[in-house]
Parts: sequence; C-alpha cells; structure tokens
Amino acid sequence: KNQVEQSPQSLIILEGKNCTLQCNYTVSPFSNLRWYKQDTGRGPVSLTIMTFSENTKSNGRYTATLDADTKQSSLHITASQLSDSASYICVVKVYSGGGADGLTFGKGTHLIIQP
Amino acid sequence: NAGVTQTPKFRILKIGQSMTLQCAQDMNHNYMYWYRQDPGMGLKLIYYSVGAGITDKGEVPNGYNVSRSTTEDFPLRLELAAPSQTSVYFCASSYSAGGSSYEQYFGPGTRLTVT
Repeated sequence: KNQVEQSPQSLIILEGKNCTLQCNYTVSPFSNLRWYKQDTGRGPVSLTIMTFSENTKSNGRYTATLDADTKQSSLHITASQLSDSASYICVVKVYSGGGADGLTFGKGTHLIIQP
Repeated sequence: NAGVTQTPKFRILKIGQSMTLQCAQDMNHNYMYWYRQDPGMGLKLIYYSVGAGITDKGEVPNGYNVSRSTTEDFPLRLELAAPSQTSVYFCASSYSAGGSSYEQYFGPGTRLTVT
C-alpha cells in the first residue's frame, strides 16, 4: 500500500532558527514528490516538485532534498520567520501514465514559529 | 486571475439534507479535483475530472456526485448528508499536457459540519 509518513508531527522553534522536516514514502513506482505549505484555514500551496533525477531544489528559504534510493525527502527552512508557521505536507505521486490521480498525501508537520 | 474559488466557506447541514459545493477556476486548467481533509489526516481524493464532460472516482467517492459541464466549473453534490461527511473540502485544478509534474492550485476550502 502506498504510504507517506512525515515527522515530526509538530515542531516549535524560535524565529530566526533553522529546521528540517522529514518525509518517508513507500510509493511505487515513483513519479515525483511535492512539498506543500498550508496556512491555517487556507488551501495548500505548492513549494516544490521534485522528480526522480533531482536531488535538491530550492524556493527562497525553503530547500527540499530527495533520496530516491532510500525513499526519503526533507524540507529545510532557513532563518525561519513568523509567516512560516503552517502545516507542511509531503505528497508523492505514483507513476500512472496519466496525471489526474495517484497522489498520496502525508498528514503534515505542524510548524509553529515563536517570536 | 481569481485562481480557484469555492463557495460557501462554511455550512452546517442536518443529517439527510443535500447541498452542492461550488468550485470555479479561471486558469483554463483541464484537470479539476475534489479532496476532503479530516483533522489530523492527509487529503483524500473524492472525484476528479480531466476535462469537460469527463469525471472519475477517487479514493473516497461514496456519498458524493460531481459533474463537469464547462472547463471552469466543477460542483460537488452531497446527497443525504451524514455525520461522516463532516470535513473540510478543497477543490483544486491543474494543467497537464500529458506530463506528470503538474502544479496543483487549491481553493480556500469549504468547512462542512453535519449534525
């Protein structure tokens, strides 16, 4: 069964500090991995999409890594800001030949940035 | 562009009532999706559409129906509401020209309570 596990479930850090969120998956065959940011009361917003051949991808202060051999990904946030407080969701797509389904969503890591 | 819009934002239904959740996008995306998000759980796909007139079931379609008469609109119909349908519902859209690394755009969500 395709699964996406995220850790930690929740995390509290001080403003300005760095943090790393983890994602392990058992999805096969793998197509791509996404990280979404979901602010409270809002829909998810895409941060990065990584394919099999991409090891690292950055989006501002967000850097995602992917190890397709160990089926692990991480999202590193540098110099955290209060606006980074949100849930971060890891999503893995199975290769289905199409594009409409095959997404497995993790439960998310709830990140709180304290001033 | 307004992106993906959803109405209503909140709704309380009595058991057995019916309602339609509205979703519209102005990005000319061919793919549209409905997800539900339960507390502490990952998003689950209810239904999706790859274009006007074409819909298909996702992971949790029971108790729901959809239609796609235009590219822009993708309403979700709840018949005979049950407490198990209490959730936050997200509509999303994407454009895919056959590749799988498409970016999804989510609406702000509809919070539904069935009592």
